[in-house]
Amino acid sequence: GIQVEQSPPDLILQEGANSTLRCNFSDSVNNLQWFHQNPWGQLINLFYIPSGTKQNGRLSATTVATERYSLLYISSSQTTDSGVYFCGSGGSNYKLTFGKGTLLTVNP
Amino acid sequence: GAVVSQHPSWVICKSGTSVKIECRSLDFQATTMFWYRQFPKQSLMLMATSNEGSKATYEQGVEKDKFLINHASLTLSTLTVTSAHPEDSSFYICSARVAGATDTQYFGPGTRLTVL
Repeated sequence: GIQVEQSPPDLILQEGANSTLRCNFSDSVNNLQWFHQNPWGQLINLFYIPSGTKQNGRLSATTVATERYSLLYISSSQTTDSGVYFCGSGGSNYKLTFGKGTLLTVNP
Repeated sequence: GAVVSQHPSWVICKSGTSVKIECRSLDFQATTMFWYRQFPKQSLMLMATSNEGSKATYEQGVEKDKFLINHASLTLSTLTVTSAHPEDSSFYICSARVAGATDTQYFGPGTRLTVL
């Protein structure tokens, strides 16, 4: 099956800083999603992005499918951005394989 | 749109009892739902794929007789943990696939199971 690796595993920022999270996947994918897991465990959909670039406010994501990686950019980080960010990728069977996540801590 | 609910949000039960968790797509039909398990500070592990009107398909290492899945309608899938033991304590999360132009999955808020 697809292998997914995320980096860095932990990231500590000061409020206002920018950050880039990376997701590498081992095979071609039909689905690539980024999520933010809040302190209560809810996975919040950020992007569905099997290829290309999307932006939503301070967040943007880019997936280069031919090179098998995706990047999540967070600009002007806020304390509410803290939490675990997961990417999940999947092939033609619609299943998602998740990376181990990046724990982001934004300090005031 | 694309809201998924789970019930209950948390449950505590005695060892040996069975617990049923419901996953509902509130504003869309989901031909496919997925069940995941997450241990503290770890990633999500897919347990099984639930297809409406057919048997669930389980991932390797997941006991199908222990984790019974029923997908009786296009908006409801249930996971029953049978004869629960303390090692079954975990955070269980469901997702529903929105069929159509994309294969986006939307996730429920999760159910925290504690088996005493």
